[in-house]
Amino acid sequence: DTGVSQNPRHKITKRGQNVTFRCDPISEHNRLYWYRQTLGQGPEFLTYFQNEAQLEKSRLLSDRFSAERPKGSFSTLEIQRTEQGDSAMYLCASSLGALAGDNEQFFGPGTRLTVL
Amino acid sequence: AQSVTQLDSQVPVFEEAPVELRCNYSSSVSVYLFWYVQYPNQGLQLLLKYLSGSTLVESINGFEAEFNKSQTSFHLRKPSVHISDTAEYFCAVSRSGSARQLTFGSGTQLTVLP
Repeated sequence: DTGVSQNPRHKITKRGQNVTFRCDPISEHNRLYWYRQTLGQGPEFLTYFQNEAQLEKSRLLSDRFSAERPKGSFSTLEIQRTEQGDSAMYLCASSLGALAGDNEQFFGPGTRLTVL
Repeated sequence: AQSVTQLDSQVPVFEEAPVELRCNYSSSVSVYLFWYVQYPNQGLQLLLKYLSGSTLVESINGFEAEFNKSQTSFHLRKPSVHISDTAEYFCAVSRSGSARQLTFGSGTQLTVLP
């Protein structure tokens, strides 16, 4: 296992279409995070999972966004009825667990979404 | 809630010169502090972190950062930079005590000039 992987790396879609991104975390990691990064800004937290349970969602995660992590392994992030404002880099990260010493989050390369 | 301010969006510096990237945070609770680096076309990589103990933390490639609780700062320094240090650097904070989500600053683009 070489790290967190994300697919696709790039996605161009038309406004109003639905898109789905996939994240495969490091295999033994229990926690999985989604962030969004727009140009010139740092990543912003969207949501995270402890195994298959979605424990927290940011207010940035509107009702058009949904994330799942069935079976506590890979995760998907779906955006319905995309808007131009959704254009961003979507980052996935994973960490070993919930203990204080496991705070290091390992990031994937991201999926760059462009909404035309 | 926590927030992070990176005071400089761009820092150009000549090779072998020292550099300091500034980071200030705001939080009403105890925090952990991190510096991440993002090289062009690559994902974020952890550079160093402060969880507890010694307030001075170091990375394997010569960077160091010092946690200053009274000034709520976590500035990143390197005494002599290389061309290969050119990247975007992000300061981040999380609540201490568990593997919480990170709150990032807006980043500082470090450009090392020959």
